[in-house]
Amino acid sequence: AQTVTQSQPEMSVQEAETVTLSCTYDTSESDYYLFWYKQPPSRQMILVIRQEAYKQQNATENRFSVNFQKAAKSFSLKISDSQLGDAAMYFCAYINFGNEKLTFGTGTRLTIIP
Amino acid sequence: NAGVTQTPKFQVLKTGQSMTLQCAQDMNHEYMSWYRQDPGMGLRLIHYSVGAGITDQGEVPNGYNVSRSTTEDFPLRLLSAAPSQTSVYFCASSVGTGNNQPQHFGDGTRLSIL
Repeated sequence: AQTVTQSQPEMSVQEAETVTLSCTYDTSESDYYLFWYKQPPSRQMILVIRQEAYKQQNATENRFSVNFQKAAKSFSLKISDSQLGDAAMYFCAYINFGNEKLTFGTGTRLTIIP
Repeated sequence: NAGVTQTPKFQVLKTGQSMTLQCAQDMNHEYMSWYRQDPGMGLRLIHYSVGAGITDQGEVPNGYNVSRSTTEDFPLRLLSAAPSQTSVYFCASSVGTGNNQPQHFGDGTRLSIL
């Protein structure tokens, strides 16, 4: 079974600075997808960024980018120019190609310091 | 476009009571799923469905029943509520399975079992 590990339960960053959230996963599959979801205090689950395992290029979405290291099974999220609205729980998630089950990590709570 | 709608948003039950959490989506998505979110454990898959009339168990199915009579609706039933089922429940849907199309989440139901 696949597992997703987020080793940082809490992180904090100064406003306008850059922060990196870590995620590692364990799988024997070669074709899969990875996601970062944001959960603000409103409890909504919001997709931040996605990465296909077959793509070598790291995904970017505005201030959000990932560092995808397939051999190391690592998928970190970098947030540049942190804003107060980035404060939230961040979840890393994994899904196999052709499978229905999304596996989540335990989350990292990000605090933005004004 | 309402997306994924969950009702109720909050519920308090007594041990042994039964109830149904409702989930409806208006995006004509084939895949729907239920997760529970507990502190320090991320989101865990309870049951999922790949289309009307088809359901299957996820990681933590015990104590829960589901059915999928229409594409739009995927209710989650607690037959005899237990305190261990106190959690936040999320319903999600997506276009297909095992691809990079993200799952769309409802706003969650906070359920307390006394």
